[in-house]
Amino acid sequence: DVKVTQSSRYLVKRTGEKVFLECVQDMDHENMFWYRQDPGLGLRLIYFSYDVKMKEKGDIPEGYSVSREKKERFSLILESASTNQTSMYLCASSFRVGSVAQHFGDGTRLSIL
Amino acid sequence: GENVEQHPSTLSVQEGDSAVIKCTYSDSASNYFPWYKQELGKRPQLIIDIRSNVGEKKDQRIAVTLNKTAKHFSLHITETQPEDSAVYFCAANTGTASKLTFGTGTRLQVTL
Repeated sequence: DVKVTQSSRYLVKRTGEKVFLECVQDMDHENMFWYRQDPGLGLRLIYFSYDVKMKEKGDIPEGYSVSREKKERFSLILESASTNQTSMYLCASSFRVGSVAQHFGDGTRLSIL
Repeated sequence: GENVEQHPSTLSVQEGDSAVIKCTYSDSASNYFPWYKQELGKRPQLIIDIRSNVGEKKDQRIAVTLNKTAKHFSLHITETQPEDSAVYFCAANTGTASKLTFGTGTRLQVTL
């Protein structure tokens, strides 16, 4: 069974802090994704990575960066957290070809005060 | 880029009735359409998906239909049960084969 693990379920930070959200998958998936989920807006793609050290911007990359140093780990970085980044953050992973179904982690509910 | 619209945003049905959720997409190159179910406080989970070379796919009480010409696809749940209550998301792949654009979700409530 695919396991996508996010480092924290709940996180509270202050404005201006640098925030790191970590995601690890154990299925040797090439692709990894970061989404944010807000009521009424669905899941919006922030960044994704299709290989180690490779990344592409999604639909809402502003204020975020990512890091993929190892295949199994994908980190989302909020360079200077702001209150409008308070949200649920979901990580997902998938194969690049063949069965491309995305598998999600449990999410991190991030509050910026 | 791809745009996916999903309707309705909320749906209430009585136990045993059928539920239908509809999505439209804009990119004619999209060829993969998954549906996810998200129970309260839990992760989205894939419940069914369809590729563009297939018009319909069934798995027990759930089915998905695809109309490529009209660029819409639908989720059908028959004989609904209270445990079907959740938020359902449709999605379509875009540009890069495995990148998805999601609809805004449908909150389904199954009442006794």
